[in-house]
This record gives sequence, structure tokens and C-alpha cells, in this order.
Amino acid sequence: DGGITQSPKYLFRKEGQNVTLSCEQNLNHDAMYWYRQDPGQGLRLIYYSQIVNDFQKGDIAEGYSVSREKKESFPLTVTSAQKNPTAFYLCASAGATYNEQFFGPGTRLTVL
Amino acid sequence: GQQLNQSPQSMFIQEGEDVSMNCTSSSIFNTWLWYKQDPGEGPVLLIALYKAGELTSNGRLTAQFGITRKDSFLNISASIPSDVGIYFCAGSNYGGSQGNLIFGKGTKLSVKP
Repeated sequence: DGGITQSPKYLFRKEGQNVTLSCEQNLNHDAMYWYRQDPGQGLRLIYYSQIVNDFQKGDIAEGYSVSREKKESFPLTVTSAQKNPTAFYLCASAGATYNEQFFGPGTRLTVL
Repeated sequence: GQQLNQSPQSMFIQEGEDVSMNCTSSSIFNTWLWYKQDPGEGPVLLIALYKAGELTSNGRLTAQFGITRKDSFLNISASIPSDVGIYFCAGSNYGGSQGNLIFGKGTKLSVKP
């Protein structure tokens, strides 16, 4: 059953703590993406990776970090430097046609 | 970053009515995509358009790639309650970082039974 999984679905953290969000895909896609979604807003790109061991900053990378050690996995760390981390985080992947991105179910992060 | 202008922002319609929404951009795109997002879930790809003037259908959904390459339209015919959600347009160009998607802010659709 191919797809993109994100875990956990809901995450609560105290202010000042780093937290890592998981994203795994078994679609054999080369490219993976992390987006942030706030109420009433579109999707904003945080980081993306087009190949293993390489990644690029998106529009709002400050306060976030990523790694791409395996093709299947693209974890996102929300650091304490991110001033407003409470949001809905979406991971996506894309195959040969980069334009068609497929999304995971999302992780809702709440920082208390 | 660049964003698309998507309208309307929200729609309240009666079940059975047709729906139209659109996206415009100041830049040209080679690709237009339309997604639907249910509450608390990730967006699902509905239709992808790759040629200016292209008209593509997916069941009751029809989308068009504007001839100027700066706009796209999505129509839903005979709406049903499960059409409720947020519809996003996205545009991109081929290759490298230009393949990244630019998203509109969404059209929130509410359907009254």
C-alpha cells in the first residue's frame, strides 16, 4: 500500500524544546517537501530535497532543520529558534514529474 | 514568496448547484494543479494541467489551463455534501527549484443539503 505517512498526528511540546516530525514515503519518489499551513493561509514551503543527502531552504526555513539520509525519509526538526511554531505541518513527495506533489496526512504541532 | 490570487475566498451553496473558482498570477506557469483538502487532512490532487488552453475533467470536476498561462479555473457540477472542503490551486514551472509549487490561499466550500 503505497503512500506518505507522517507521525504523530498531534504533537504537544513546551516552549523552548526542539521537536522532530517524521515523514516517510514508499512511492520511490526522489523529491520531498515540508510545508507549513496556518489558518486561512496557503501552504508555505519550509525545506525541500530533490535527492538524498541534499536539501534546499524554502521560503520560511528560519527556525527549522531537515536531513535526507535515506530516499524514503525526510524528518523536520522545529527548533526553539522558531518564534511561532504552532501550526499544521504537511510533508509531500514527487516523482519524475516534480510538479505533481502528493501529500501526507499532516502533523498538528501545538507549543504550549 | 510569490502567491497566487485565488477567488472566491469562500462559498456557501445549495446542494445540486454548480461551483466555479479561479486562480490568477502575475507570472506565467507551465503547470497548474488543483487540490482539495478536508479538515485536518493533507491535500489530495484532483487535476493536473500541462498545456495552455487544456480542459480536463475528473468526474464532476472540470479544470482549465488559461490561454495566457496566468490563470486557471475549476468548476464543480451538481455539488454534493462531500464536496465540502478547501480547494487550492498551485502553479509551477519545470525543472529544479522552478518545479516547486506556488499555492493560492484556498477557496473554502460549504454545501447546504
